Amino acid sequence: DSGVTQTPKHLITATGQRVTLRCSPRSGDLSVYWYQQSLDQGLQFLIQYYNGEERAKGNILERFSAQQFPDLHSELNLSSLELGDSALYFCASSATPGQTYEQYFGPGTRLTVT
Amino acid sequence: DQQVKQNSPSLSVQEGRISILNCDYTNSMFDYFLWYKKYPAEGPTFLISISSIKDKNEDGRFTVFLNKSAKHLSLHIVPSQPGDSAVYFCAASLSGTYKYIFGTGTRLKVLA
Repeated sequence: DSGVTQTPKHLITATGQRVTLRCSPRSGDLSVYWYQQSLDQGLQFLIQYYNGEERAKGNILERFSAQQFPDLHSELNLSSLELGDSALYFCASSATPGQTYEQYFGPGTRLTVT
Repeated sequence: DQQVKQNSPSLSVQEGRISILNCDYTNSMFDYFLWYKKYPAEGPTFLISISSIKDKNEDGRFTVFLNKSAKHLSLHIVPSQPGDSAVYFCAASLSGTYKYIFGTGTRLKVLA
């Protein structure tokens, strides 16, 4: 158990809909990262927050947005969903935003868009 | 453009033998590298890392080697155990970018 929690575990929705994925980082971790893993693909970095502020952006679509709240939990919002958005979405946390600290991953949310 | 590549999607090794997983990268500015292990239905778990100022880092049965001139790193597992069967991801990072670039993973199967 990494200490990072993600809800829900599974999500099935229709094209055009909007969903929210939730992540709680490990106790004490200030940084939260979001990744997308599509079938047979590596982990694609989406976005990172540190103590409530956006710190880095990756290949995140404009239809996607995220935020980190004062209690440090984070939400990833996916809107106008397309079939291609079906993937595993992972949240990770680390103690600091620096690259010398490893990230701890949650179990992921499997999103299926039908 | 895939900056971090794991060209072997799968690898099978006999229990007790050495497993060697390879990773190539294209950006010579990357200065920190990590390996993660992932079991089905779980998130990736950090395994071992190496800074670009080193060429080797060892932790128990796991050793990571970095060849900066070849832009290549490898993970050695000795001896391999059935519990090592998982998907292994390498990742690279560049100081100040706060991003990790992951490879597509290699599925290791250790045969008993």
